[in-house]
Amino acid sequence: DIQMTQSPSSLSASVGDRVTISCRASQDISNSLAWYQEKPGQAPKLLLYAASRLESGVPFRFSGAGSGTAYTLTISSLQPEDFATYHCQQYYGTPTFGHGTKVEI
Amino acid sequence: QVQLQESGPGLVKPSQTLSLTCTVSGVSISSGTYYWSWLRQPAGKGLEWIGRMYPSGTTRSNPSLQSRVTISVDMSKNQFTMSLTSVTAADTAVYYCARERGAFDPWGQGTLVTVSS
Repeated sequence: DIQMTQSPSSLSASVGDRVTISCRASQDISNSLAWYQEKPGQAPKLLLYAASRLESGVPFRFSGAGSGTAYTLTISSLQPEDFATYHCQQYYGTPTFGHGTKVEI
Repeated sequence: QVQLQESGPGLVKPSQTLSLTCTVSGVSISSGTYYWSWLRQPAGKGLEWIGRMYPSGTTRSNPSLQSRVTISVDMSKNQFTMSLTSVTAADTAVYYCARERGAFDPWGQGTLVTVSS
């Protein structure tokens, strides 16, 4: 299995902050990477796929970058509704997920 | 729009079989280029892919669970079902079904299954 390592596991931020979350794969996944936002009691919501493609309806403050084994999710200006847990997922091989990054105040 | 809904028992005894059904609306699961998957998330842990069903009806499971997982389909009801045998407390989790196109979207709301005597 391809292992996905997310960092940090949690971070504290304020409204308006620029936030970056990292995800590293145990092998080259050729941009086959998705990012999700999860809020308590809700199913994960797809934010980006193919590393940098924004899902329809997702605000432009979310962006993704990276290649090979290293990828990032950036929120350019954190909004109150963005406090949540973020997961990365590779789909180059059998799908696997990172352990999540909790973004809190 | 496409919607998925999980259903099944919320409590299963150890060593028994856990069975959940996903009902899909808004699209036929036998058409298109999407797959239909099951995933789970134990409390405080990461998400785990369990397995998928292809539009043809063939299935594939996570090798880590392959010996215990069966995925079946009822095309007439637009449903697919996941069965997990010989469950233990480690199988306690929120179980989701989702449409898969590499990424997973949309997801069902999820259903909590607790394994306990």
